[in-house]
Amino acid sequence: AQKVTQAQTEISVVEKEDVTLDCVYETRDTTYYLFWYKQPPSGELVFLIRRNSFDEQNEISGRYSWNFQKSTSSFNFTITASQVVDSAVYFCALSDGRGGADGLTFGKGTHLIIQP
Amino acid sequence: DAGVIQSPRHEVTEMGQEVTLRCKPISGHNSLFWYRQTMMRGLELLIYFNNNVPIDDSGMPEDRFSAKMPNASFSTLKIQPSEPRDSAVYFCASSATSGGVTGELFFGEGSRLTVL
Repeated sequence: AQKVTQAQTEISVVEKEDVTLDCVYETRDTTYYLFWYKQPPSGELVFLIRRNSFDEQNEISGRYSWNFQKSTSSFNFTITASQVVDSAVYFCALSDGRGGADGLTFGKGTHLIIQP
Repeated sequence: DAGVIQSPRHEVTEMGQEVTLRCKPISGHNSLFWYRQTMMRGLELLIYFNNNVPIDDSGMPEDRFSAKMPNASFSTLKIQPSEPRDSAVYFCASSATSGGVTGELFFGEGSRLTVL
C-alpha cells in the first residue's frame, strides 16, 4: 500500500525566512510519481510539481526548490525568502507508475503560516 | 481555457436529503476523479473514471454514495440519504493520459457540503 507522511502539521515563520516542508513516502512500486500541491485559503488545489522516480535531480523554480532522495524516500520542498502569499496548506502526493491514473495518495498536509 | 467546473460551490442540507454534486472536467481530459477532504481524514480518493468508465470505486464510503459519468464532459456524485458525517469539501479533478502516462491532476474549486 502507498503512504505519504507529512510529519509537520503546521509551520510558522517570519517573512523572508527560508522554510522546508518534509515529505516521506512508502511504495512497493519501482516506478512512481511524486507531486506537491498548494491549497491557499481560497480552497482550490494548485499543482506545483510532478517528479518521476527515475529523475532524482533537484529542481528549482524561482523561490521554490525540491529535493528528491530515493535513498531516504523523501521529497522535500523548500521555499526561499518566504512571502505572506506563500501561506497555504501544502500537500505531498504519490501515484503509481501510471502517473496518476489511479488517483493520488495524499499526505495530511502542512499548514504553512508566513507572518509579516 | 476553462478549468474543472464544480457546482454547487456550497450546499447546506438536512440529514436524509439527497445531494447531487456536479463536475465538468477540462475538455480533452479522459480521466476524472472525485476526492473528499475533511479535517480528520484529509484528502481521500472516492472514485475515478477513465474514458467515462468507473475504474475503482473502492474509496466510496458506502452504498449511500454513487457516481456517474454519462459522457466525457459531465459527472455527478450523489449521496442519498445524506448524513452529518458526510459534511466535507468534495473535489473533482481531471487529467489527460498520453502514451499511457497520466499528467497532473487539475482540481476544481470544490463543493463544500454541510449536512445538518
